Amino acid sequence: SQKIEQNSEALNIQEGKTATLTCNYTNYSPAYLQWYRQDPGRGPVFLLLIRENEKEKRKERLKVTFDTTLKQSLFHITASQPADSATYLCALPQFSGGYNKLIFGAGTRLAVHP
Amino acid sequence: DAMVIQNPRYQVTQFGKPVTLSCSQTLNHNVMYWYQQKSSQAPKLLFHYYDKDFNNEADTPDNFQSRRPNTSFCFLDIRSPGLGDAAMYLCATSRGGTSGGTQYFGPGTRLTVL
Repeated sequence: SQKIEQNSEALNIQEGKTATLTCNYTNYSPAYLQWYRQDPGRGPVFLLLIRENEKEKRKERLKVTFDTTLKQSLFHITASQPADSATYLCALPQFSGGYNKLIFGAGTRLAVHP
Repeated sequence: DAMVIQNPRYQVTQFGKPVTLSCSQTLNHNVMYWYQQKSSQAPKLLFHYYDKDFNNEADTPDNFQSRRPNTSFCFLDIRSPGLGDAAMYLCATSRGGTSGGTQYFGPGTRLTVL
């Protein structure tokens, strides 16, 4: 069955450093992959989408890579700030009935310390 | 601003007492989803509507039902809540099709079952 794995342990880093989060998947050949941010007690918020033919995507301090051979995506936050502290979820599409529904990972919690 | 609204934000019910959660959207999206999310877990898709077409996930208990009276509104009914149904319930929308499947989430309803 399709499976998405994200590091369940929280990632603690110092402000100003680069945070790198990993999303691994199995039994998938997704056309794209998405990253969401979720703050405690809130719904996820879309951050970035990267397609299978894109190696890298950037948005401000965020960078996502997508290696379809390794079946892995890396999510980087450069010059991290305490406000970046949140849980980051990756999500992959599952095409069903003419549209894409998303399968989410459990997320990795990031804590950025001043 | 276009958005997804969920009411109430917090709901307390008693074991076995029916409860209804509501979701509305101003995005005019075709697809509306209901997810259940427990602490430190991935959002789990319960069902979705593509326009008026209802799609139930295979492992969604019969205890959970949904209604979509029009494009803007969608309801989640839990007929006989059990202690295991205590969770955050997230509503999300998307345009549908194969365009990318980005989902827009509401803030969630935290359900407590006493």
